[in-house]
Amino acid sequence: GQQLNQSPQSMFIQEGEDVSMNCTSSSIFNTWLWYKQDPGEGPVLLIALYKAGELTSNGRLTAQFGITRKDSFLNISASIPSDVGIYFCAGQGGAGGTSYGKLTFGQGTILTVHP
Amino acid sequence: KAGVTQTPRYLIKTRGQQVTLSCSPISGHRSVSWYQQTPGQGLQFLFEYFSETQRNKGNFPGRFSGRQFSNSRSEMNVSTLELGDSALYLCASSPGTARDTQYFGPGTRLTVL
Repeated sequence: GQQLNQSPQSMFIQEGEDVSMNCTSSSIFNTWLWYKQDPGEGPVLLIALYKAGELTSNGRLTAQFGITRKDSFLNISASIPSDVGIYFCAGQGGAGGTSYGKLTFGQGTILTVHP
Repeated sequence: KAGVTQTPRYLIKTRGQQVTLSCSPISGHRSVSWYQQTPGQGLQFLFEYFSETQRNKGNFPGRFSGRQFSNSRSEMNVSTLELGDSALYLCASSPGTARDTQYFGPGTRLTVL
């Protein structure tokens, strides 16, 4: 099935460093979402973006909804060990087709933070 | 408010058997979506139910089915299990409009032997 192109696939950083990851799509979306998943658990919502160009923050996290509606990025500032996990972007809605309840996910970015 | 709950959390089945997974949404949420997560394919959308009706479905074979009850609780069923059905099955709930944010449960880990 369709997936978003998420990069990088993995990141190894030192505690205190900033992190940036992004997602691109060949299709437009009406909503972009960023989730974090810990091993054996379900994804937890971090940030939701509803408008092209929107820039939203949640603590040390900042995300933007691309102007073209085909991309989004997530930044994490001053990383800490508990930021470890897998981060997923997801798009919802868009031109044509039925979008009820359907999220299209990126492949995920595995983040490792060294103390 | 309690979050999305899924039962059971872990399940082991053998090929050819069938399985039923359950999902209870957040109170007041009327939409339940199901996803399959595997290392190879990532998170893939299975189907979505709202007010006991399937409104949307992904590209999975007919062995995968679901239903929703009047209290919004949902079940998904997989018949004639195959090895490739081993996965983490996640459900997510939302109020039910097209732009609503989805909140996920912890998932059911299904292993098919």
